[in-house]
Amino acid sequence: AQSVTQLDSHVSVSEGTPVLLRCNYSSSYSPSLFWYVQHPNKGLQLLLKYTSAATLVKGINGFEAEFKKSETSFHLTKPSAHMSDAAEYFCVVTSNYGGSQGNLIFGKGTKLSVKP
Amino acid sequence: KAGVTQTPRYLIKTRGQQVTLSCSPISGHRSVSWYQQTPGQGLQFLFEYFSETQRNKGNFPGRFSGRQFSNSRSEMNVSTLELGDSALYLCASSLGGLETQYFGPGTRLLVL
Repeated sequence: AQSVTQLDSHVSVSEGTPVLLRCNYSSSYSPSLFWYVQHPNKGLQLLLKYTSAATLVKGINGFEAEFKKSETSFHLTKPSAHMSDAAEYFCVVTSNYGGSQGNLIFGKGTKLSVKP
Repeated sequence: KAGVTQTPRYLIKTRGQQVTLSCSPISGHRSVSWYQQTPGQGLQFLFEYFSETQRNKGNFPGRFSGRQFSNSRSEMNVSTLELGDSALYLCASSLGGLETQYFGPGTRLLVL
């Protein structure tokens, strides 16, 4: 069985300061992990994905995440927050079992606020 | 390349009615997945279709059904609507297999 836990429902940072959104996962098989972002009244946009290649994954808009198997974590970071980063972020896990990734398991989401 | 499109974008129905939502995937994508997003339950997987066959199914009642056509377009149907079916319904397409899913803007359904 797979699951994902986002440790913070809401994170608030000041513009120009670092962002850390925390995610722990559980998976019986070799997982693929993703971060998606959802701006208000918009669909989901892929930020980055991990699929068993490099453990440090770089995504769009300066975001990156590190896969740590020993800690079962996949935290999302950005060195310097921008006002346009304010959105809801979802950590997502799926399993490579059976070669199908049609079933994404979403975390509850972390709402990121950026103060000027 | 055009993204995933969903129609309609907004829908208002009353309890007991049925509704059909449509999703057109990115050209060349053969897999379409559907998700329900609500404030209480978050994002939950409904089902996935690949080459006109349902390949995965989430934990939803039989009132929720779907199908996929030969051009990979997919429809989702909800019969006997309940107030709790009010949600944002998102579809996502991918090439299939281990490829990334790309999401449409969603259809917001309000059941009165």
